[in-house]
Amino acid sequence: QSALTQPRSVSGSPGQSVTISCTGSSSDVGGYDHVAWYQQHPDKAPKLVIYDVTKRPSGVPDRFSGSKSGNTASLTISGLHPEDEADYHCASFAGGYVIFGGGTELTVL
Amino acid sequence: QVRLQESGPGLVKPSETLSLSCTVSDYSINVGPFWGWIRQSPGKGLDWIGTISQSGTTYYSPSLRSRVTISVDSSRNQFSLKLTSVSAADTAVYFCVRDIGGGTADYWGQGTLVTVSS
Repeated sequence: QSALTQPRSVSGSPGQSVTISCTGSSSDVGGYDHVAWYQQHPDKAPKLVIYDVTKRPSGVPDRFSGSKSGNTASLTISGLHPEDEADYHCASFAGGYVIFGGGTELTVL
Repeated sequence: QVRLQESGPGLVKPSETLSLSCTVSDYSINVGPFWGWIRQSPGKGLDWIGTISQSGTTYYSPSLRSRVTISVDSSRNQFSLKLTSVSAADTAVYFCVRDIGGGTADYWGQGTLVTVSS
C-alpha cells in the first residue's frame, strides 16, 4: 500500500489561513469517509484534530476544519496561532487497514 | 479520560521478537471499541501497525501481517504487540492507541522508543 501524499511543508502568518492537502486513491481517501488529521508537536504524541473527514473532537478549536473532494482530503486552519506550528499527519481507512500520509510541517511565520 | 502507557524493552537484537504492552487506565479495555499500535521511525511519518477489537478480531498492516500479533489481556486491562524477526528498519517510537473505528485514534500513549541493534 502506498502512503498518502502530503506537501512536505506549508507556512503562514498569524491570522492567516492555510490548507494542507492529502491525496490518495479510490481505495482509501476516495472510497471511505474515514479520514483523520493529527497534530504533532516535537517529541509529543500526535493529537486528533479532525476525524471522519469533517468532525472535530471535543476541545479542538473550530479554526480547524476538514473536507474532501474525490481522492483528496484537506485540512484548513483559519486564523493561525503561533501554537499551531507543528507537524500534521493525515490518515485514511483503506478497508481493513489504515494508511498515513508522510506528514506536513506547518511553520507559523 | 482514557490513559494509555506503553512498556517494554528499549533495545532488541536483530532477528529477535519485539514485545510491548500497553496498560489502559481509567477505562475498561472491554468497552473498546478497538485498541491498536502505531509507530514512527526517527524523523519520519506515522506507520499503522494494527488493531484489535473488543471481541478479539485483529486487523494488521498488509506489510507487517506476517510478523505481527496483537492481543488483549482483559484481566490486566492491557493489550500487547509482538513483532517477530525484527531488523534495524523496525527501530521506531511505538505508540499504543484507542481506535474509535475507521482507524481513528483518539487517545494515545506517550510512546516508547525501541531500538533494534546488536
